[in-house]
Amino acid sequence: EVQLVESGGSLVQPGGSLRLSCAASGFTFGNYAMGWVRQAPGKGLEYVSVISGFGAETLYADSVKGRFTISRDNSKNTLYLQLSSLRAEDTAVYYCANTFPTSTSLYFQHWGQGTQVIVS
Amino acid sequence: EVVLTQSPATLSLSPGERATLSCRASQSVGSSLAWYQQRPGQAPRLLIYDASNRATGIPDRFSGSGSGTDFTLTISSLEPEDFAVYYCQHRGYSWTFGQGTSVEIK
Repeated sequence: EVQLVESGGSLVQPGGSLRLSCAASGFTFGNYAMGWVRQAPGKGLEYVSVISGFGAETLYADSVKGRFTISRDNSKNTLYLQLSSLRAEDTAVYYCANTFPTSTSLYFQHWGQGTQVIVS
Repeated sequence: EVVLTQSPATLSLSPGERATLSCRASQSVGSSLAWYQQRPGQAPRLLIYDASNRATGIPDRFSGSGSGTDFTLTISSLEPEDFAVYYCQHRGYSWTFGQGTSVEIK
């Protein structure tokens, strides 16, 4: 069974930093691109970042580019998201997800339960 | 960047009724579209990928259709656990989500 468990969320002041982690199990972690998606209170889903299976390629939403850094440690089956220069609008539940490739696209297949980040 | 517009914002139906949710893309996305379900207090769950393929473990009362710019998610007969928010999603330059449709109990 695929399990994704996020941690590291907390209350942080504007301008501060935080590192989120996502521990994965139940699948061959290094074979899959991984991503972060967030959801502000009462709002919809917003893509944040994706990293390739070996970590060579990283992609970011424009809203976080230059402030957030995605990384992974395949030896520990763990995904990370370093959040810096945090703003109030970064307040959200942050979900990690593994991806499901098809011939035409890449989708978020399994999701963790999320970790709460509050910037205030 | 592709913009996904979902309608209606809210759908009020009774258990056993049929639900029809729409997602319109601002430009053609071929069949590269997914649907997710999010129950209250839970993480999203992949329902449909590539417009019409059910993800593993998804009941066959859920079906997806469409291509190009117009897509539909149909729930043939609503079960109590189906009352939730549904999002469509496309990956182009970036991953884009629609704003969601809430299916609520009438």
